[in-house]
Amino acid sequence: DQQVKQNSPSLSVQEGRISILNCDYTNSMFDYFLWYKKYPAEGPTFLISISSIKDKNEDGRFTVFLNKSAKHLSLHIVPSQPGDSAVYFCAAMDLGSGTYKYIFGTGTRLKVLA
Amino acid sequence: GAGVSQSPSNKVTEKGKDVELRCDPISGHTALYWYRQRLGQGLEFLIYFQGNSAPDKSGLPSDRFSAERTGESVSTLTIQRTQQEDSAVYLCASSPGTAQETQYFGPGTRLLVL
Repeated sequence: DQQVKQNSPSLSVQEGRISILNCDYTNSMFDYFLWYKKYPAEGPTFLISISSIKDKNEDGRFTVFLNKSAKHLSLHIVPSQPGDSAVYFCAAMDLGSGTYKYIFGTGTRLKVLA
Repeated sequence: GAGVSQSPSNKVTEKGKDVELRCDPISGHTALYWYRQRLGQGLEFLIYFQGNSAPDKSGLPSDRFSAERTGESVSTLTIQRTQQEDSAVYLCASSPGTAQETQYFGPGTRLLVL
């Protein structure tokens, strides 16, 4: 049972354009979400997070949007740069569960073309 | 201080042998996580520790897998009687301890079971 889904395994975008990475979840109890970026042969690194009390969080070129009714979140990267080429994972957690268990999606490989 | 470190970085073993994977978290981080990433797949939660206790072991794939943590520091993931399907990158992450803290990942241990 995949509670967090990233249905696009890969995405190619031209440098300077917008990259939109999508993530869907099934558990309505999830109330905290994060995006991680992973380069080959390295561990994931934290990118941006959003709490369910918000519908948008922005940090520089990165913006995460949350649509609770649709159980959907997306990461926008504007403008996309070649260095953004990596695998992006979304992760979700139920803060009220009392555990610290993040559920990760399967990842989307972003390729930014120069 | 230093980030999360893992050793060995690569491990090749024969089917049926036991392996131990080590994780050194960031000093002072009370929460520690183990994940597995098989080729072409996402991050699969294995276990997490709060201090030296593991309140959630639900992700361990079988009783061949075990983990311990001592001194609220180093953790060891042990896989007994390894199977070829155990081949994966094993990632460790730590966080300060509150649920909303982001996780800091190590570079992973690449395990290949022949």
